[in-house]
Amino acid sequence: SQQGEEDPQALSIQEGENATMNCSYKTSINNLQWYRQNSGRGLVHLILIRSNEREKHSGRLRVTLDTSKKSSSLLITASRAADTASYFCATDAGANSKLTFGKGITLSVRP
Amino acid sequence: DAGITQSPRHKVTETGTPVTLRCHQTENHRYMYWYRQDPGHGLRLIHYSYGVKDTDKGEVSDGYSVSRSKTEDFLLTLESATSSQTSVYFCAIAGSGGTGELFFGEGSRLTVL
Repeated sequence: SQQGEEDPQALSIQEGENATMNCSYKTSINNLQWYRQNSGRGLVHLILIRSNEREKHSGRLRVTLDTSKKSSSLLITASRAADTASYFCATDAGANSKLTFGKGITLSVRP
Repeated sequence: DAGITQSPRHKVTETGTPVTLRCHQTENHRYMYWYRQDPGHGLRLIHYSYGVKDTDKGEVSDGYSVSRSKTEDFLLTLESATSSQTSVYFCAIAGSGGTGELFFGEGSRLTVL
């Protein structure tokens, strides 16, 4: 069963705008991760936030985690056409680094 | 980039035939995973391995088996392929340092006719 559910399913913005993507999950987690997938390629890890963290930054990425609401958001600032991809949240709820992925968000950044 | 190679990258086969997908890593990582990706379902875990000869089932393991006889190789076998197993299969390895992040291969696209 899917642990993470991303919202919206698809997002289209203009280059330079910010993109906000949300993820909700159902059970307690050790950490939550965001991945990007370019068309026809494998997933690439973007950022990890642990359950005891509330906010984390990496370059143009900002991720927040609200464990009371079981939700996370990924903000990409000053988007570029190269940010066009699918984005997935994934939760780590147990041992052996087994991740449960959401269905993904398709982000289109128009030049 | 993590050294992960999947083979074959593309395969078309017929229902009822056996298929083996190979994942090879050069990172000496302990954990390896097989996921399948389907439209509307995201990625779902098939099987994973936490060491040589140590494997366990994931969410969608029916119809699949795995083997890991060496640290660097993790094989996924479909004993008798069905059309419902048409998918893109991704291998992943867990990074060192216990951070939990995964590194993915480029995927193997399997079509079962």
